[in-house]
Amino acid sequence: GNSVTQMEGPVTLSEEAFLTINCTYTATGYPSLFWYVQYPGEGLQLLLKATKADDKGSNKGFEATYRKETTSFHLEKGSVQVSDSAVYFCALSGSGSSNTGKLIFGQGTTLQVKP
Amino acid sequence: DVKVTQSSRYLVKRTGEKVFLECVQDMDHENMFWYRQDPGLGLRLIYFSYDVKMKEKGDIPEGYSVSREKKERFSLILESASTNQTSMYLCASSKQVSVKAFFGQGTRLTVV
Repeated sequence: GNSVTQMEGPVTLSEEAFLTINCTYTATGYPSLFWYVQYPGEGLQLLLKATKADDKGSNKGFEATYRKETTSFHLEKGSVQVSDSAVYFCALSGSGSSNTGKLIFGQGTTLQVKP
Repeated sequence: DVKVTQSSRYLVKRTGEKVFLECVQDMDHENMFWYRQDPGLGLRLIYFSYDVKMKEKGDIPEGYSVSREKKERFSLILESASTNQTSMYLCASSKQVSVKAFFGQGTRLTVV
């Protein structure tokens, strides 16, 4: 079945450091891929998405590229801020006739940015 | 903005109690979902619904049931709460065939 694997956390960085959070997936067909973010005490918010191979999703300085050849969707940011401290979830949903709106999530990666 | 509202942020219940978690969305979304979030496991789908009075099991439905009598409201029911159901519960909604889901703030349930 479909699955998502994220790198283990927590990740601790200093402000202005470069961020990469790895995400790989297993899926049939052509899933849509997502990064969701959960700030302390809040629900999940969509950070960015990509719906087909080679698409690049971007938002708030974060980027991720849908790589079908490596089944990956790594999250990157060039210079993190303290306000980026949160839990980040990689997720996928089905495509075409299998697009039921259900999301399959990775285990989440906690990011802590220190001043 | 789309709003998904969960009725409680924190709940403490006793083992064996029947527990209701309520979720309401205000954007006429067809799809609604209940997930539970546990450290190291991410979010796992409990139940979902595509329409009023329709429901389908997710990956971990055991010990749970749901009710969707109105389009905007999706209730999660723990028939007899157990300590292993202590968790964060997240409700979400989306338009039919949309790729974007909107989440509530979550209900942290503790069963003692």
